[in-house]
Amino acid sequence: KAGVTQTPRYLIKTRGQQVTLSCSPISGHRSVSWYQQTPGQGLQFLFEYFSETQRNKGNFPGRFSGRQFSNSRSEMNVSTLELGDSALYLCASSLDPGNEKLFFGSGTQLSVL
Amino acid sequence: QKEVEQNSGPLSVPEGAIASLNCTYSDRVSQSFFWYRQYSGKSPELIMSIYSNGDKEDGRFTAQLNKASQYVSLLIRDSQPSDSATYLCAVNMDNQGGKLIFGQGTELSVKP
Repeated sequence: KAGVTQTPRYLIKTRGQQVTLSCSPISGHRSVSWYQQTPGQGLQFLFEYFSETQRNKGNFPGRFSGRQFSNSRSEMNVSTLELGDSALYLCASSLDPGNEKLFFGSGTQLSVL
Repeated sequence: QKEVEQNSGPLSVPEGAIASLNCTYSDRVSQSFFWYRQYSGKSPELIMSIYSNGDKEDGRFTAQLNKASQYVSLLIRDSQPSDSATYLCAVNMDNQGGKLIFGQGTELSVKP
């Protein structure tokens, strides 16, 4: 069974641009969560999606948004990029929202110059 | 005050020793606790989950939970160099599904 797939693996953007990251969950998993990982802040929760609806949201500005499609695939978007947005963005999937066992993808390493 | 706190380490133990990793959390009503292992340059991998007070064993790993003290720990017996990684404690506060609060992680180094 394939794991969580995230694309692209690496991204380099400049300040002010926007970026879209993609995540395909494990087959049969319907819940997708997004996390930001930085050396200083560690792993921080961004948001969670289930049935194309955002269920939870972390303490990030509105520049961070996401969506989920009917096939459970998810995208997250960051607009008006700032230098501080440079981080590893991790997607995690689980069977459903009640299942807390998360399986992480390899992540997208975003560098903002 | 951080919601989930771990000793940042690095924690260095000799091969074959017991490694003890500790975590405290601030929300008394938390019900679910997890340990993830993250190798350098890789994504976190779930290794243990615990929901009830006491010990839970899985192979060389034992998770311990004390809700009264708001404390959860991970013991690794017979530590191997391949156990060298960062161990992340995660807590599901408010029982909100995929929203886990992670500690900063403890870097473990097992010396041959």
